[in-house]
Amino acid sequence: DGGITQSPKYLFRKEGQNVTLSCEQNLNHDAMYWYRQDPGQGLRLIYYSHIVNDFQKGDIAEGYSVSREKKESFPLTVTSAQKNPTAFYLCASSIDLRGYYNEQFFGPGTRLTVL
Amino acid sequence: AQTVTQSQPEMSVQEAETVTLSCTYDTSESNYYLFWYKQPPSRQMILVIRQEAYKQQNATENRFSVNFQKAAKSFSLKISDSQLGDTAMYFCAFISDQTGANNLFFGTGTRLTVIP
Repeated sequence: DGGITQSPKYLFRKEGQNVTLSCEQNLNHDAMYWYRQDPGQGLRLIYYSHIVNDFQKGDIAEGYSVSREKKESFPLTVTSAQKNPTAFYLCASSIDLRGYYNEQFFGPGTRLTVL
Repeated sequence: AQTVTQSQPEMSVQEAETVTLSCTYDTSESNYYLFWYKQPPSRQMILVIRQEAYKQQNATENRFSVNFQKAAKSFSLKISDSQLGDTAMYFCAFISDQTGANNLFFGTGTRLTVIP
């Protein structure tokens, strides 16, 4: 089945530690995105990538880093510099036709809790 | 900057009744797309319906329909014959094909509860 997988579903981290969230897609999509969701707020964009080896900061990139070495994979690292990392993280992907509507498909999410 | 506002944090509806969720947005662009996403307790984001701004006809998907008022920048979602499975968070979202990022701007969501 084609889709987006995120792992792990739940993740716990001690303060001061970096942690990496996995996102994989087999939809052959060029574009991938990371969103953060906090209670009472909508999703906010952290990073996005339209092509391998290229990515751009979103609205709340501080304290996060990403890589895009393969088309299928877009891991997100939450660094110790992120002051309030406890949140629900959603990965999404889409085809990338500039100037056209591109539906985004979402993964099931990862719940990160800092202890 | 684009903003999306959902002024109803929570709503409830009796099963089989109709409910309307409100959304307003602000943009200076002329061509864009609007969406309603559903997030059930599983937290998987599911696209419910989409509307292209240059189309005057309101989009419809089975029991879901929108009332798109471009001049008023309003985009409400109507759910007819509500079912228990409609219980979820509903997010209104906006995307423009001119920003280059192709990323979605979301509202803060409306929690809908369908009462048996």
